[in-house]
Amino acid sequence: GIQVEQSPPDLILQEGANSTLRCNFSDSVNNLQWFHQNPWGQLINLFYIPSGTKQNGRLSATTVATERYSLLYISSSQTTDSGVYFCAVERAKIIFGKGTRLHILP
Amino acid sequence: SAVISQKPSRDICQRGTSLTIQCQVDSQVTMMFWYRQQPGQSLTLIATANQGSEATYESGFVIDKFPISRPNLTFSTLTVSNMSPEDSSIYLCSVEDLSLGAFFGQGTRLTVV
Repeated sequence: GIQVEQSPPDLILQEGANSTLRCNFSDSVNNLQWFHQNPWGQLINLFYIPSGTKQNGRLSATTVATERYSLLYISSSQTTDSGVYFCAVERAKIIFGKGTRLHILP
Repeated sequence: SAVISQKPSRDICQRGTSLTIQCQVDSQVTMMFWYRQQPGQSLTLIATANQGSEATYESGFVIDKFPISRPNLTFSTLTVSNMSPEDSSIYLCSVEDLSLGAFFGQGTRLTVV
């Protein structure tokens, strides 16, 4: 099956810093999404981005489908950005990466 | 985007008992999906529930342990049967939008003691 690898696994940053999270996948996919799981366990859709670039406030994402990777950019981090960020790809079914655990220090 | 209500939000259960989790969607959907997230882990698909037919289970998950109902196009239940501490996880239901991707309920945090 498709392998989804996210890096880094853990990231600790000071409030106000910028970060880049990466998602590599091993085969062509139909769709790709980024999620944020907050400390209460809720999964929030960030981007549905099978290809190209999208921006939403301080967050943006780029997927280069031909090279099988996607990047999530977080600028001017806030403590509320803390949590786990998951990349999920879809072919016959949705497969999640293991996530990047982000901790923003005040 | 779909609004998904899941309940209970959390529960603590005795081993050997069963828990039924409910998932309600605010619009009609063909397929509903159930996921498990073990502590500190990623999400794993348990099964796909279609209205009017038996659920399709992923490798490693069986109907006797995780029976699923799908009585109509807006509702589904997942039962975790004969629970053991290893079943302690977050269970999430999900639906998919063709142009917006997957959306999740708030999850059910289950602790088995």
